[in-house]
Amino acid sequence: SQQGEEDPQALSIQEGENATMNCSYKTSINNLQWYRQNSGRGLVHLILIRSNEREKHSGRLRVTLDTSKKSSSLLITASRAADTASYFCAPANAGGTSYGKLTFGQGTILTVHP
Amino acid sequence: EPEVTQTPSHQVTQMGQEVILRCVPISNHLYFYWYRQILGQKVEFLVSFYNNEISEKSEIFDDQFSVERPDGSNFTLKIRSTKLEDSAMYFCASSDMTVYNEQFFGPGTRLTVL
Repeated sequence: SQQGEEDPQALSIQEGENATMNCSYKTSINNLQWYRQNSGRGLVHLILIRSNEREKHSGRLRVTLDTSKKSSSLLITASRAADTASYFCAPANAGGTSYGKLTFGQGTILTVHP
Repeated sequence: EPEVTQTPSHQVTQMGQEVILRCVPISNHLYFYWYRQILGQKVEFLVSFYNNEISEKSEIFDDQFSVERPDGSNFTLKIRSTKLEDSAMYFCASSDMTVYNEQFFGPGTRLTVL
């Protein structure tokens, strides 16, 4: 399993604005997942995008995937204070025997000010 | 909605003592995981478990650690002789039959070793 690298490390916005976070990875993937972690709490799965998909939506979330650039982005529209959290991407390798192991990076810390 | 539960939420122990952290995964899931997060650091994979045996383990998961699924519903992590550096949040996760599907995380157990 490979680690995704999130960018930026920190993002501070006002409520109602959009937040965009990026993820880069190194080798071919089967899928890429995004997770959220509120301070000191467990991770919450947000969305999974497969390697043959380019864009996926879930509520206020939009995820894109560009396998040629080995990158993904997570867009949160009309952000709310409750979106304040750390966001992680987790690329899942194509093939291999990683048995679903997820490798997390440092994440993007999003702060949404009311 | 089904969820992963973990007990206790906080465990304080003396160095050298044994601790058992308990998890109840989602009932129809077959893949189980333990992760840990030292305060201020990344979430790190410890071990994956499928079909009553360890599928993969990290370098962290040394002989002091063991996992068990004693009764078909619980999934436990045992640390035989705790060290100060074992202080961390420990997260259990589970996923369904498709390895690359999303993992559902529990709220975590905060382990403090004194």
